[in-house]
Amino acid sequence: GAVVSQHPSRVICKSGTSVKIECRSLDFQATTMFWYRQFPKQSLMLMATSNEGSKATYEQGVEKDKFLINHASLTLSTLTVTSAHPEDSSFYICSATRTGDEAFFGQGTRLTVV
Amino acid sequence: GNSVTQMEGPVTLSEEAFLTINCTYTATGYPSLFWYVQYPGEGLQLLLKATKADDKGSNKGFEATYRKETTSFHLEKGSVQVSDSAVYFCALSLDTDKLIFGTGTRLQVFP
Repeated sequence: GAVVSQHPSRVICKSGTSVKIECRSLDFQATTMFWYRQFPKQSLMLMATSNEGSKATYEQGVEKDKFLINHASLTLSTLTVTSAHPEDSSFYICSATRTGDEAFFGQGTRLTVV
Repeated sequence: GNSVTQMEGPVTLSEEAFLTINCTYTATGYPSLFWYVQYPGEGLQLLLKATKADDKGSNKGFEATYRKETTSFHLEKGSVQVSDSAVYFCALSLDTDKLIFGTGTRLQVFP
């Protein structure tokens, strides 16, 4: 199957700082990328959908000014958590898909804000 | 709304035991149903899927049947191996690329 690489796998940051998470499709061009968040013992919740070259579509309740998504190319999407706070600590996962194909997932990023 | 409910883990089994992980769903419309698996340190991988009622998805000895009457998609395997230890996610999709996931069930298989 296709490979999606997510980096970093784990990050600890201080409250008030910003953190960038990268999601790369290594061997295919992804028309769409998705960002999910998972709190302990809860489901993966879709945060936003991004298509290359256009603005991301955010799910209800997700602050677009706090979670900045950039999808500048067909192989890279980034999620920036701005002014992070302890309640943003979570597991963030990206997925990438080609039109009509299954979604391929990154390995996830564990964010801890202290 | 649309949602997926799956059994809480961890599920702990001895090698060669029979596995069932329950999954039920609520959906407006006719969803496609999926099971994803996440091995330690890796991303989620599609394990199997079914797109309509009574379809059976199967892969690597795992099976799940789309039961519309009980709104269920339970995952089964006749004889688990230590290498099956992972987190299993049930999910649905309604005519889009968006996936709605359950909470995940951790399976631990001991020799």
